Amino acid sequence: QQQVKQSPQSLIVQKGGISIINCAYENTAFDYFPWYQQFPGKGPALLIAIRPDVSEKKEGRFTISFNKSAKQFSLHIMDSQPGDSATYFCAASIRTSGSRLTFGEGTQLTVNP
Amino acid sequence: NAGVMQNPRHLVRRRGQEARLRCSPMKGHSHVYWYRQLPEEGLKFMVYLQKENIIDESGMPKERFSAEFPKEGPSILRIQQVVRGDSAAYFCASLSDRGGNIQYFGAGTRLSVL
Repeated sequence: QQQVKQSPQSLIVQKGGISIINCAYENTAFDYFPWYQQFPGKGPALLIAIRPDVSEKKEGRFTISFNKSAKQFSLHIMDSQPGDSATYFCAASIRTSGSRLTFGEGTQLTVNP
Repeated sequence: NAGVMQNPRHLVRRRGQEARLRCSPMKGHSHVYWYRQLPEEGLKFMVYLQKENIIDESGMPKERFSAEFPKEGPSILRIQQVVRGDSAAYFCASLSDRGGNIQYFGAGTRLSVL
């Protein structure tokens, strides 16, 4: 019940295209959903996050869509750039319970020039 | 304000040796989380500590692994009698004392067990 399922495992997009990564969760107690970006040899860095009281959050080219009834959320990267090539992790936590993060398996994104 | 500092960045140990991984959180952060990332996998929670206290160790293996966060100095993740299966990247993250939800990650320690 603590799992977060992420898909696809890998994604190849052309420059300027839209990258879409999906996540699904089981535990309805989760109330914080961040996305992290990780470059090779580096630690994860927070990209954008959402709480379940909103259905969408946009920051620049990055948008999270959240569907509470379906227990799903997704990351959309508009106008994808080669510099966006990285591994993306969705995660979930319960803010009042120590905030430990439960991560998805990761999506390796490659944006071709 | 320096970020989360982890050292060493790379650590090589032979089977049966001990590994000590250190994490210095950001200034003003007394909450530390340790995560393990196996090759081609996501990060898995191990332990959550707050100065001198272990808050949640539900992700820690029952044997050979321990963690501490003393009043002074960095948090330490200790792995005794390492085995090849311990080879992984170990990340720590810190959370501000002011509240909020953002965990800031260090660059990780990559442990290789020969």
